[in-house]
Amino acid sequence: DAGITQSPRHKVTETGTPVTLRCHQTENHRYMYWYRQDPGHGLRLIHYSYGVKDTDKGEVSDGYSVSRSKTEDFLLTLESATSSQTSVYFCATRTSYEQYFGPGTRLTVT
Amino acid sequence: ELKVEQNPLFLSMQEGKNYTIYCNYSTTSDRLYWYRQDPGKSLESLFVLLSNGAVKQEGRLMASLDTKARLSTLHITAAVHDLSATYFCAVDHSGGGADGLTFGKGTHLIIQP
Repeated sequence: DAGITQSPRHKVTETGTPVTLRCHQTENHRYMYWYRQDPGHGLRLIHYSYGVKDTDKGEVSDGYSVSRSKTEDFLLTLESATSSQTSVYFCATRTSYEQYFGPGTRLTVT
Repeated sequence: ELKVEQNPLFLSMQEGKNYTIYCNYSTTSDRLYWYRQDPGKSLESLFVLLSNGAVKQEGRLMASLDTKARLSTLHITAAVHDLSATYFCAVDHSGGGADGLTFGKGTHLIIQP
């Protein structure tokens, strides 16, 4: 499982509030990713990181920001949560040939 | 823009039968992934196909890749109930997956006794 943990695992928040999700890995992998999973859409890439302080946008980055100040941690922030951001969020890391996924965070925005 | 299409999106089948899930993608890629997801769980890696003509098998599942046709298949042989899950194929945005993966919408597979 590549030693990936996500916190919190479940969160309910109100529209307009800021939310930060944390991904922590213990394998010292360089690349880290945030995806969201919604019914009928599979997984879609939000942001990714290719090193400390090096990040880039994915397919559905609007409304999200990320930060990576340490190799092991990749944070996803919703600056002002909206109901359309209700989803399951997965963090992932990568080796040369594999991409590993964390357990997921279920976020509900009311 | 890379697009990945799976079909069927829903499949109900009986134990003991064979079936194939198809994954088509729109741009050149030499690396394709198959994942399994159980309800409420994360994604479990099944296969990584790294080159044209690659074939991998694990138990009752066999995956293949044809990069020229931009097609991968996941074949299920003599299905058993434990294989009920959602199966996703995914393709690199760029070589080595550095830019992340593009996923199909998933095939929800139900295997009935």
